[in-house]
Amino acid sequence: GQQVMQIPQYQHVQEGEDFTTYCNSSTTLSNIQWYKQRPGGHPVFLIQLVKSGEVKKQKRLTFQFGEAKKNSSLHITATQTTDVGTYFCAGRGDSNYQLIWGAGTKLIIKP
Amino acid sequence: EAGVAQSPRYKIIEKRQSVAFWCNPISGHATLYWYQQILGQGPKLLIQFQNNGVVDDSQLPKDRFSAERLKGVDSTLKIQPAKLEDSAVYLCASSPLENKPISYNEQFFGPGTRLTVL
Repeated sequence: GQQVMQIPQYQHVQEGEDFTTYCNSSTTLSNIQWYKQRPGGHPVFLIQLVKSGEVKKQKRLTFQFGEAKKNSSLHITATQTTDVGTYFCAGRGDSNYQLIWGAGTKLIIKP
Repeated sequence: EAGVAQSPRYKIIEKRQSVAFWCNPISGHATLYWYQQILGQGPKLLIQFQNNGVVDDSQLPKDRFSAERLKGVDSTLKIQPAKLEDSAVYLCASSPLENKPISYNEQFFGPGTRLTVL
């Protein structure tokens, strides 16, 4: 069945450094969504990408969807303490309604 | 606009006991999802309803889990009997009506119910 792999599992950064998480699907995706989950909280929708090669920006966050629509990335520039949490990608296959979630990348700011 | 409501927020039970969770989605949202999130993992879809019909329950362990959404609004998820491996956060989410293969709708999550099975 369809799988979405997300790496890395954890990323420790100094405040002000950049952060990137990557998602790879075993099959072509019709779209991909990104969510953020703060510690102890619930997932909150960030953005959806639909088109091949699409790039979207939200302030310091840059989201990309691969040309083949099988991979995606989230890049945060100059991390802040408010960015702490786990970032999940969730991809929807071409032929079904189900959103398949990655395992998430936990962003940790070093003290 | 009120968000997705869930209760209880926390539940501790012994294995082999039964437990039920309740979810009230955002008003007007036709689609309702139940997810299981084990610590350190991404959410795993258990069941998806559209109004009061089941769209996908392929990952629901039907020998012990059941869910219903009788009037197409709120929903309950039941586990009977519970096992140790059912310890997780159970998340309910809702989204507006999805009537095409490619969904453009984000999911709005409730605060979740943290279940501990001893």
